[in-house]
Amino acid sequence: GAVVSQHPSRVICKSGTSVKIECRSLDFQATTMFWYRQFPKKSLMLMATSNEGSKATYEQGVEKDKFLINHASLTLSTLTVTSAHPEDSSFYICSAKSAGGPISNTGELFFGEGSRLTVL
Amino acid sequence: QKEVEQNSGPLSVPEGAIASLNCTYSDRGSQSFFWYRQYSGKSPELIMSIYSNGDKEDGRFTAQLNKASQYVSLLIRDSQPSDSATYLCAVNTAGNQFYFGTGTSLTVIP
Repeated sequence: GAVVSQHPSRVICKSGTSVKIECRSLDFQATTMFWYRQFPKKSLMLMATSNEGSKATYEQGVEKDKFLINHASLTLSTLTVTSAHPEDSSFYICSAKSAGGPISNTGELFFGEGSRLTVL
Repeated sequence: QKEVEQNSGPLSVPEGAIASLNCTYSDRGSQSFFWYRQYSGKSPELIMSIYSNGDKEDGRFTAQLNKASQYVSLLIRDSQPSDSATYLCAVNTAGNQFYFGTGTSLTVIP
């Protein structure tokens, strides 16, 4: 399958600081990337859909000013958690959608390794 | 998000048995459906994708799709202890969002 790289894998920061997480599709161009958050023993919660060259579409309840998403190229999307607080501690996972599949808009979703954020 | 629903389990089956995982979705316009496996502390990995009504087989895995009933399932034949994980159903909606179910925890008992 396609390769998606996410960095950093772990980050610990102090409350009030900002943290940037990068997501790269290494062997394909991803016009759409998705950012998820997962709490322990819970499912993936979609935070936002990121389309290259345009503003991200945020899910209801996700603060766009707190979770800044930039998708400046077909292979890179970044998530910045601004002024992080302990309640933002979570496992953040990016994913990139490949092109292709038998039907338009049915590319498969490949995941980065995830970034575990701990805010002290 | 209730767009995709799964039984959370846990589901336990003996080694060699068939494990059956089920999923329903709400967006009738959805066209693509996926099953992912996730081990604790790791990212999900794609097992199968299915786009058309009916069955799709890949090795020990069979995905079944019924769009009229808005139902997707995954069968795992000859279950192995290494299959023990959380299985996530995912749906690509007509609005191009990917939503996941809550996941079903599967334990295969040796």
